[in-house]
Amino acid sequence: EIVMTQSPATLSVSPGERATLSCRASQSVSSNLAWYQQKPGQAPRLLIYGASTRATGIPARFSGSGSGTEFTLTISSLQSEDFAVYYCQQYINWPPRTFGGGTKVEIK
Amino acid sequence: EVQLLESGGDLVQPGGSLRLSCAASGFTFSSYAMSWVRQAPGKGLEWVSVISGNGATSYYADSVKGRFTISRDNSKNTLYLQMNSLRAEDTALYYCARVTSILDYWGQGTLVTVSS
Repeated sequence: EIVMTQSPATLSVSPGERATLSCRASQSVSSNLAWYQQKPGQAPRLLIYGASTRATGIPARFSGSGSGTEFTLTISSLQSEDFAVYYCQQYINWPPRTFGGGTKVEIK
Repeated sequence: EVQLLESGGDLVQPGGSLRLSCAASGFTFSSYAMSWVRQAPGKGLEWVSVISGNGATSYYADSVKGRFTISRDNSKNTLYLQMNSLRAEDTALYYCARVTSILDYWGQGTLVTVSS
């Protein structure tokens, strides 16, 4: 099973600042990496797939990078609606499609 | 517009059974694999199961293998999760999601509570 590790667990950021979230895979997943955003009381929403491709309707301030085992989600200028929990997920094979433990982005 | 609506969540005793449903609309249901993902209270996401578009292939997380069964009725555009031998650790919000390699659309979830 591929283990996904996200860091940090919590990130405190001021509005307008940049946020950088990390995700590491225990073995290579190539570019088969997705990021999801989950706001309180809501279902997760797809942000990024293929490590760097934004999903439909996702603002350009969200960007993804990396391949192999190291990945990054960057939010260039945090808006109030961006404070949420972010999960990475590998999808190179079934089963399982493992998720990372999540990074909570909170207001500083 | 793609819509996924889960139902069937309830309070059930340990050892009990429950069947969840996910009604899909806005896309050609039989053309897509579908998945269940759960989230325990205050915890992260855990992938549970996936089924192919024609229902011929399915996979399960080790934590539910042998107890849960995923199925679908393409004539009714509905996904199911039959959960048997429920345990306290199965308590979670259960989401269904459409699969296109990634999980591109999610329902709002249905809550399963396993407690005596």
